[in-house]
Amino acid sequence: GAVVSQHPSWVICKSGTSVKIECRSLDFQATTMFWYRQFPKQSLMLMATSNEGSKATYEQGVEKDKFLINHASLTLSTLTVTSAHPEDSSFYICSAQGGASYEQYFGPGTRLTVT
Amino acid sequence: QKEVEQNSGPLSVPEGAIASLNCTYSDRGSQSFFWYRQYSGKSPELIMFIYSNGDKEDGRFTAQLNKASQYVSLLIRDSQPSDSATYLCAVAGSNTGKLIFGQGTTLQVKP
Repeated sequence: GAVVSQHPSWVICKSGTSVKIECRSLDFQATTMFWYRQFPKQSLMLMATSNEGSKATYEQGVEKDKFLINHASLTLSTLTVTSAHPEDSSFYICSAQGGASYEQYFGPGTRLTVT
Repeated sequence: QKEVEQNSGPLSVPEGAIASLNCTYSDRGSQSFFWYRQYSGKSPELIMFIYSNGDKEDGRFTAQLNKASQYVSLLIRDSQPSDSATYLCAVAGSNTGKLIFGQGTTLQVKP
């Protein structure tokens, strides 16, 4: 149980374009989903927290107009990187949390390269 | 002071030995503690969680929690080369469901 999928697993896009990443909880209802970014040899950096049906809460320093998050259902959250730049190239990972416990189950991640 | 601290390592142990990974945290109100394993280039995988003081065992893994000392550890018995990875300690904030991650400890198990 507790399977989280992400799509796509990797994407290459040109500078100035937008990229959408999907995160799905496959076998449980995720009341909360989290989006992280990880640069090489660094730890996870939480970008935002999203609850189904409400606006995402962004961490300090994360531009909400650049990283659009939608949590339309209890099994799907999306992250759209708008007007991507090379410095946005990173490993983006979502996680899902359900029920009363705090365990987070991670998706396999999306590697974004902006050229 | 960082909220969750881990020694970055690398921690090197021979195959078959016990690997001991340690983590301290600053929020005394924390109630939930997690260990994740992350292989290079992959996303983290939950391997253990612990909520109560004492030990919790799952196969070759034992998590230990001491809330008075604000200390949580992970023991890996009979270490295998496949255990070589970065181990992330995570603590749930006392008022939020967010996890605060340590920087991770890199474990190398040498055949």
